[in-house]
Amino acid sequence: GQSLEQPSEVTAVEGAIVQINCTYQTSGFYGLSWYQQHDGGAPTFLSYNALDGLEETGRFSSFLSRSDSYGYLLLQELQMKDSASYFCAVLRGQNFVFGPGTRLSVLP
Amino acid sequence: DTAVSQTPKYLVTQMGNDKSIKCEQNLGHDTMYWYKQDSKKFLKIMFSYNNKELIINETVPNRFSPKSPDKAHLNLHINSLELGDSAVYFCASSQDEQGGTEAFFGQGTRLTVV
Repeated sequence: GQSLEQPSEVTAVEGAIVQINCTYQTSGFYGLSWYQQHDGGAPTFLSYNALDGLEETGRFSSFLSRSDSYGYLLLQELQMKDSASYFCAVLRGQNFVFGPGTRLSVLP
Repeated sequence: DTAVSQTPKYLVTQMGNDKSIKCEQNLGHDTMYWYKQDSKKFLKIMFSYNNKELIINETVPNRFSPKSPDKAHLNLHINSLELGDSAVYFCASSQDEQGGTEAFFGQGTRLTVV
């Protein structure tokens, strides 16, 4: 089987740093992705890690540890527009398996 | 130019009806998907097609029938709609049969069955 776990909700203030964790159990693992989804919108791609380590893209960074089956998304200098749901997803063969999502609320 | 487009955006229909959702991608991708997002926002794979061939069918009732006339299109037909089918349905595509590293999603179709 396959499963991913994420915290259901995270709250932070503007300008802060927040980390959203993801643990996974799956076979045939290729890599870990992160997606952002605003209310009423479609999921949009943020980052992908195939190898262990940190990938940085502007204010967002993503980390993967394959040995620990663990990854996280780090959001820096939070802005109000970052309020959204964030999903980790495992790339498994010809399929993306999504975690349950973390609702991030950014407060002024 | 919209990369992955699906129509309609909203669909309200009565129980027992049959409806279709269309999806087209202009990215030249080989793989297309249908996902269902329920009220708790959980995204669940329904089908995966690669070059018009069904790759994944995840325990979806056979009232749901995908059709891929060519690799740029993956339509979803639903027979005998039930209340529990109410959800947002997303079409997506990715680069190659290994899924690429990024899935591109359509805007979603909010289906409400009354």
